[in-house]
Amino acid sequence: EIVLTQSPATLSLSPGERATLSCRASQSVSSYLAWYQQKPGQAPRLLIYDASNRATGIPARFSGSGSGTDFTLTVSSLESEDFAVYYCQQRFNWPLTFGGGTKVEIK
Amino acid sequence: EVQLVESGGGLVKPGGSLRLSCAASGFTFSSYSMNWVRQALGKGLEWVSSISGNGNYIYYADSVKGRFTISRDNAKNSLYLQMNSLRAEDTAVYFCARARIERLSWYFDLWGRGTLVTVSS
Repeated sequence: EIVLTQSPATLSLSPGERATLSCRASQSVSSYLAWYQQKPGQAPRLLIYDASNRATGIPARFSGSGSGTDFTLTVSSLESEDFAVYYCQQRFNWPLTFGGGTKVEIK
Repeated sequence: EVQLVESGGGLVKPGGSLRLSCAASGFTFSSYSMNWVRQALGKGLEWVSSISGNGNYIYYADSVKGRFTISRDNAKNSLYLQMNSLRAEDTAVYFCARARIERLSWYFDLWGRGTLVTVSS
């Protein structure tokens, strides 16, 4: 099973700041990695797939990069609605696995 | 409207059974692989099971293999999860999720609101 480790666990930032979230895989997942955003009481929302492709309707301030074992989600300038928990997920092989999440909170 | 609506959650005793349903609308259900993902309260996401559009390919997490059965009825635009031999650690919100339409693109681009399953005596 591929283990995804996200860091940091919590990121405290102010609106307008840049957020950089990390996801590291226990073995190469090529570019087969996605990022999701989840707000309290809501279902997750797909942001990025295949490491760097924005999903439909996702603002350009969200970007993804990386390949192999190291991936990054960047939010260029945080808006109030971006404070949430973010998860990465790999589809390189079965079982599909998620990272433990990074909470982006208001500083 | 494109949506997924789960139902069937509730309180069940350890060892009991429950059947979850997910009603899809607003898209061609048979064209999409479908999935169940769960989330224990205050915890992260855990993939549970996936089924291809025609039902020919099915996958399970080791934690539920042999106890849970995923199925679908494309004529009814519905996805199911039969859960047997339930354990306390199965307590979670269960989400129905659609996979992206591209072949082998096992990322989840549409989610339901979830249904809560509580396993407790």
